[in-house]
Amino acid sequence: AQSVTQPDIHITVSEGASLELRCNYSYGATPYLFWYVQSPGQGLQLLLKYFSGDTLVQGIKGFEAEFKRSQSSFNLRKPSVHWSDAAEYFCAVVGNTGFQKLVFGTGTRLLVSP
Amino acid sequence: NAGVTQTPKFQVLKTGQSMTLQCAQDMNHEYMSWYRQDPGMGLRLIHYSVGAGITDQGEVPNGYNVSRSTTEDFPLRLLSAAPSQTSVYFCASSSPRTGTVRDTEAFFGQGTRLTVV
Repeated sequence: AQSVTQPDIHITVSEGASLELRCNYSYGATPYLFWYVQSPGQGLQLLLKYFSGDTLVQGIKGFEAEFKRSQSSFNLRKPSVHWSDAAEYFCAVVGNTGFQKLVFGTGTRLLVSP
Repeated sequence: NAGVTQTPKFQVLKTGQSMTLQCAQDMNHEYMSWYRQDPGMGLRLIHYSVGAGITDQGEVPNGYNVSRSTTEDFPLRLLSAAPSQTSVYFCASSSPRTGTVRDTEAFFGQGTRLTVV
């Protein structure tokens, strides 16, 4: 069965600093991987997704993520954080069962300090 | 294109009451799912459907019923609400993976915040 681990519950980053949110997955074959962002009181917005091919994936709002099969990781990065990036971020995986059964990590809450 | 629409957005129930959370999608997606979101636990799958008339249990199905009579609608029923069902509920829809770009993600509604007192 697939699983996702987001080891950091909270992360605080200064505005303008770089950001990396960690995500490790467990799945036997090549997974489909996603990063979602949830602003307070809002729904889920897809930031980016990985299926195959280039292991560095570009998303919206200046985010990117790198798939590393050897480390079973799909870390999310941004070179310069803005105050509006403060939100909760979820990594998710789906295997060959289809997109009706996404498996989410527990989320990382990003706080941005002035 | 409305996407996935959930109603209501907010609801307060008393313990033991029943209610139905509505979910509708206008993308002709075959797959639909219900998740609940709780602090520190991410989103967990409650029930899902791979087509009209076909439903199955997810990770946390107890206390919830679903049915899928049409492609568009996938209501979630709480038969006897309990405080443990206080949560934010999300509905999602998707297509079977056919290799086309548009069939490569799940689309989420805006959520229903449910409080059971």
